[in-house]
Amino acid sequence: NAGVMQNPRHLVRRRGQEARLRCSPMKGHSHVYWYRQLPEEGLKFMVYLQKENIIDESGMPKERFSAEFPKEGPSILRIQQVVRGDSAAYFCASSPRAGATYEQYFGPGTRLTVT
Amino acid sequence: SQKIEQNSEALNIQEGKTATLTCNYTNYSPAYLQWYRQDPGRGPVFLLLIRENEKEKRKERLKVTFDTTLKQSLFHITASQPADSATYLCALDGPHGGADGLTFGKGTHLIIQP
Repeated sequence: NAGVMQNPRHLVRRRGQEARLRCSPMKGHSHVYWYRQLPEEGLKFMVYLQKENIIDESGMPKERFSAEFPKEGPSILRIQQVVRGDSAAYFCASSPRAGATYEQYFGPGTRLTVT
Repeated sequence: SQKIEQNSEALNIQEGKTATLTCNYTNYSPAYLQWYRQDPGRGPVFLLLIRENEKEKRKERLKVTFDTTLKQSLFHITASQPADSATYLCALDGPHGGADGLTFGKGTHLIIQP
């Protein structure tokens, strides 16, 4: 059973470009979470999605950031017009059910560098 | 807003000894508390979950305690090994009763000296 997969593992973008980060949850998991980890900072929750629905996006910046989890295919975190401050590691996690009762399975992360 | 504090300084422990990591939280009463391990360049890996009505949880060489009065969790690794060296993250359920993600501490970097 493959774990959570994220791609690309490393992404370099120039200021103003768009970044697309992909996440394939574990088989059978319909709950996906995105987190951002800045250097020397903890993981910060961004958005929680179920298939075709955004459940909670309270941690995601209102502008330039969007997320989706379509019926078919991976979850996508999209950052438009990237700025240097967006440079960070972005982690996706999945779980079989909602709620903090269940552990989350993390992917290896995408390291975004904005030049 | 809820706040989680973990020792920001690295913790150096001699191999074979017990390592104890602390997680303190304020402004919140979580129903669940989780511990994760993170190695450099990798995603966190789940270790243990403890509920508010549980005082202690064990898994092999790992033990977690949860004191809701002190608002503190302790994470113990007994008979520590160099392979246990990593950053350990404490995480609480969010304020929306699970309809959101986990809130993480910044982590404690543990170094087991051979």
